[in-house]
Amino acid sequence: DAMVIQNPRYQVTQFGKPVTLSCSQTLNHNVMYWYQQKSSQAPKLLFHYYDKDFNNEADTPDNFQSRRPNTSFCFLDIRSPGLGDAAMYLCATSRGWGGSEADTQYFGPGTRLTVL
Amino acid sequence: SQQGEEDPQALSIQEGENATMNCSYKTSINNLQWYRQNSGRGLVHLILIRSNEREKHSGRLRVTLDTSKKSSSLLITASRAADTASYFCATALASGGSYIPTFGRGTSLIVHP
Repeated sequence: DAMVIQNPRYQVTQFGKPVTLSCSQTLNHNVMYWYQQKSSQAPKLLFHYYDKDFNNEADTPDNFQSRRPNTSFCFLDIRSPGLGDAAMYLCATSRGWGGSEADTQYFGPGTRLTVL
Repeated sequence: SQQGEEDPQALSIQEGENATMNCSYKTSINNLQWYRQNSGRGLVHLILIRSNEREKHSGRLRVTLDTSKKSSSLLITASRAADTASYFCATALASGGSYIPTFGRGTSLIVHP
């Protein structure tokens, strides 16, 4: 089945130790998103790609970087994780955007990041 | 700034009752979507309603949109324990010519068996 896959599901890292989260999709969607979600809060958009065009949200810390080497894969790199970066990280895709059903987002199961 | 705000933040009902959640937003939108999230999981898309639509149905779900009041409601009829989840609305804003869905904080629904 076409889907969005995130690995790992659970990631434990140490304070300051770089970590990479991965997302892959078999939907062949143009747009990929990374969200950060803390407990009982709204998902907060960090970045999105339309194809290879990278878009960084204004308030995304420099500590967060992203790569999309091809249509199927997208990575979230946290260069120096702090305790405040502990959260669920959600990857999502959509065919496009523009006010149609193409806006519909398909989410992966998320990666729960713990920072010790 | 956060666009959608769900109300109530938490809702607790008995199985078989109807559950109504509301979403208010601030600026004009192109469409509004509702998503469901089970605890510790990703979000699942439920319904998308366009700004020129007033009501949409999908199974036990009914979504309404009132653009004059900048609000939407999600009604779950004949609720089941399996409907226990958080429900989010997401509104598509204009951002540099593209539309990026922005999520509200969600309504936590508990359905007691």
